[in-house]
Amino acid sequence: DTGVSQDPRHKITKRGQNVTFRCDPISEHNRLYWYRQTLGQGPEFLTYFQNEAQLEKSRLLSDRFSAERPKGSFSTLEIQRTEQGDSAMYLCASSPSGSSNQPQHFGDGTRLSIL
Amino acid sequence: AQSVTQLDSQVPVFEEAPVELRCNYSSSVSVYLFWYVQYPNQGLQLLLKYLSGSTLVKGINGFEAEFNKSQTSFHLRKPSVHISDTAEYFCAVTRQSTDKLIFGTGTRLQVFP
Repeated sequence: DTGVSQDPRHKITKRGQNVTFRCDPISEHNRLYWYRQTLGQGPEFLTYFQNEAQLEKSRLLSDRFSAERPKGSFSTLEIQRTEQGDSAMYLCASSPSGSSNQPQHFGDGTRLSIL
Repeated sequence: AQSVTQLDSQVPVFEEAPVELRCNYSSSVSVYLFWYVQYPNQGLQLLLKYLSGSTLVKGINGFEAEFNKSQTSFHLRKPSVHISDTAEYFCAVTRQSTDKLIFGTGTRLQVFP
């Protein structure tokens, strides 16, 4: 059973650099979500896709953040001109399409550290 | 707006003792409720969910939770914990009309031998 896969697991970069993370959802799942988790907090919703369509974006997703899911399979999350406050764990989740009662399955996350 | 409150940031307990992790939510509409567990440097794993029906929900690893609509609570319980239950536990809610999960701040369960 292949779960949600995220790459890389860890990313260390200097302030001002651009970073890109990848998420591969469970193959039959149409919905894909991105969350951000800072130390000592619960995950916060960033955005989600139904196939290739981005259906909702949080106000947390500033114009430096962009997410894509071009073919409705894997997704990328890019952060431009990184800032210290971007240091966090970025979690990806997927679920089957349908109503919101379908549980979301999470990957192990990408931990971003900004120097 | 919805919110989730986990009343205890840390819960220390001895092995084989019972434990309850508290969760309260606020929402003016019907919601779905979830408990997730997170082990160090890992993602979240679903423990159990409440969608409708019986208010007592059983999950994996011997955990259960009870939905109490009048008290807007969804407390997680286990009758006898194990060292391996040491982890961070998150309560989450989603409305029936939206997919995004709203999480509490988490409760760290520390089981001592």
